[in-house]
Amino acid sequence: DTGVSQDPRHKITKRGQNVTFRCDPISEHNRLYWYRQTLGQGPEFLTYFQNEAQLEKSRLLSDRFSAERPKGSFSTLEIQRTEQGDSAMYLCASSAGSETQYFGPGTRLLVL
Amino acid sequence: AQSVTQPDIHITVSEGASLELRCNYSYGATPYLFWYVQSPGQGLQLLLKYFSGDTLVQGIKGFEAEFKRSQSSFNLRKPSVHWSDAAEYFCAVGESDTGRRALTFGSGTRLQVQP
Repeated sequence: DTGVSQDPRHKITKRGQNVTFRCDPISEHNRLYWYRQTLGQGPEFLTYFQNEAQLEKSRLLSDRFSAERPKGSFSTLEIQRTEQGDSAMYLCASSAGSETQYFGPGTRLLVL
Repeated sequence: AQSVTQPDIHITVSEGASLELRCNYSYGATPYLFWYVQSPGQGLQLLLKYFSGDTLVQGIKGFEAEFKRSQSSFNLRKPSVHWSDAAEYFCAVGESDTGRRALTFGSGTRLQVQP
């Protein structure tokens, strides 16, 4: 059990560029979650997958955000036309049929 | 919708002193309750959780928490704080009576430990 991994750990981009983050959940965890955390705040839920199906999406997930989990294993989160307000830590978590979510180290995004 | 309040933004304690971090929630039923810890620039590590049963739960690193339904609280405690406990602590709730899986987090309490 290697834990949840995320790549990259840090990303600096210019406003208007597209970015993509990857999350690899704990092996055999069928549920995967994305959260966003801004400075001084707790994480805020973005979206949730059970296997390859995206079952929940937050109102925070604007149309510039898209998440996929094509084979029910790893997931990607893409942000199109980034804005300075997108600067945050993007956290991925996974769970195995229980309510306990295990978090990865996060991807810190800075939009200049 | 549920909400979580952590009234203390920042707490400073001396090493070896006891600690209590407060968490209050708003939810119609008994929620799933969690405490996570986050070191600077890192992800969240689960300290402990409550789903049902015994209202006093033990976690890792010597932490415990007590669920008090009458007060809608789930306070985190440790009898003797170590310098390595300095971090940010988040309380979170999950919905127990719906199909939603999203956790709602408080805004966190930053713990500073003085030598």
